[in-house]
Amino acid sequence: KQEVTQIPAALSVPEGENLVLNCSFTDSAIYNLQWFRQDPGKGLTSLLLIQSSQREQTSGRLNASLDKSSGRSTLYIAASQPGDSATYLCAVRLLNMNYGGSQGNLIFGKGTKLSVKP
Amino acid sequence: GAGVSQSPSNKVTEKGKDVELRCDPISGHTALYWYRQRLGQGLEFLIYFQGNSAPDKSGLPSDRFSAERTGESVSTLTIQRTQQEDSAVYLCASSLTSGIWDEQFFGPGTRLTVL
Repeated sequence: KQEVTQIPAALSVPEGENLVLNCSFTDSAIYNLQWFRQDPGKGLTSLLLIQSSQREQTSGRLNASLDKSSGRSTLYIAASQPGDSATYLCAVRLLNMNYGGSQGNLIFGKGTKLSVKP
Repeated sequence: GAGVSQSPSNKVTEKGKDVELRCDPISGHTALYWYRQRLGQGLEFLIYFQGNSAPDKSGLPSDRFSAERTGESVSTLTIQRTQQEDSAVYLCASSLTSGIWDEQFFGPGTRLTVL
C-alpha cells in the first residue's frame, strides 16, 4: 500500500528565507508526483507536477525535485514571502491503474503548514 | 473557464441528521472524484465516477455514505445519520478522463461540522 509522508508538519520562517519541504513515498511505482497549495476555503491549487521520468520542475520561485528510486521529492521555495503562507500537499499517482479501480485516485500526504513572518 | 464548484461551502448539522453535498465539475470532464480531509489528516479518497460506468466506491468509510452522479454532470455526496467523526472538509475534483495522465482539478470544498 502506497503511503506518503511529509516532513515537517509545520514550519515557520522569516520573510526572505529559502526553504525546503520534504515528501517521501513507499512505493516507487508512481506515474507522477504533484505538489499542491491549500489555502483555507479555496481548495487545492496545483503548483508543480513531475512525471516519473523527470527529475525536477520549476515555476518561478518554486522548484520541485523527484528521486523515484529513493521515494523522495522536495519542494524548494526561494526568497519566501508572507503570501506563501499556506499548507503544501504532496500527492502521487500510482502507475498501475485498473480501469474503474481506486488506484486512479491521488494518494496524499498530510501536508506541511508553512507560515512566513513579515 | 469555470472551475469545479461545490456547495454549500460550510454546513453545520446535528448528530443523526442526513446531509447532502453538491459538486459541479468542469464542463466536459468525464471523471469526478470525492475526497475527505479530516483535521490533521491527509486527503482520503472516497469514490470516483467515470462517465456512465459503475462508480468505484472502495473508499467509502461506511454504508452511511453514498454518492450519485447523473451522466457527466453534477454529483451529490450524501451522508446519512451523521456522526461527529464525519466532520471534515469534503473535496471534489474532476478530470477530463480517468486516465492517469489527466490532471485533477479541485473545488473549494465543503466544510462539514457535526455537533
